[in-house]
Amino acid sequence: DTEVTQTPKHLVMGMTNKKSLKCEQHMGHRAMYWYKQKAKKPPELMFVYSYEKLSINESVPSRFSPECPNSSLLNLHLHALQPEDSALYLCASSLDRGPMRGYTFGSGTRLTVV
Amino acid sequence: GQQVMQIPQYQHVQEGEDFTTYCNSSTTLSNIQWYKQRPGGHPVFLIQLVKSGEVKKQKRLTFQFGEAKKNSSLHITATQTTDVGTYFCAGQGDTGRRALTFGSGTRLQVQP
Repeated sequence: DTEVTQTPKHLVMGMTNKKSLKCEQHMGHRAMYWYKQKAKKPPELMFVYSYEKLSINESVPSRFSPECPNSSLLNLHLHALQPEDSALYLCASSLDRGPMRGYTFGSGTRLTVV
Repeated sequence: GQQVMQIPQYQHVQEGEDFTTYCNSSTTLSNIQWYKQRPGGHPVFLIQLVKSGEVKKQKRLTFQFGEAKKNSSLHITATQTTDVGTYFCAGQGDTGRRALTFGSGTRLQVQP
């Protein structure tokens, strides 16, 4: 299995809702990432997990809460989002030993906050 | 913080013409990677360069890493319509921080 699976593919949520994005990989990768991508912009790093521990938080607002329940799963819990949080949320994974390797990205969750 | 810029932002070519995108980092990189994102798709890993002055080829694509490890380029020979998409470079700094910073991207349009 050489894929990263993200669900849901599309999500519309109100500013008072609570929702979660899910990401799963079975490649044995121990580094997992959340990126946010706005239209016609590059992916922006949000969080990095290494061996199920949060290693990087790029000063992301607390309305985004990541969770890594095990080595294959990564969640992003959303609460009280703003319309400007609408974007494509990308999960990625990579090997986490030795030199950095290429990322495998999921197909993303396209989030619209209304 | 580390910044990675790419030029041009956008290029429109006729099928069969060559294409080059350039990537420049504000800091020295330990490695640089290249990704392609098709319209409506997600980034797909193309290649990683690690050594100073490294050149790698994948069919019609040629990737270079600068001697100072602060810049890189991607050259496509004889573009095809399947090359359409946005090409991102992404660099890892040399501080040991295990995360990539993506360049601003170059969007390639190929006219048949």
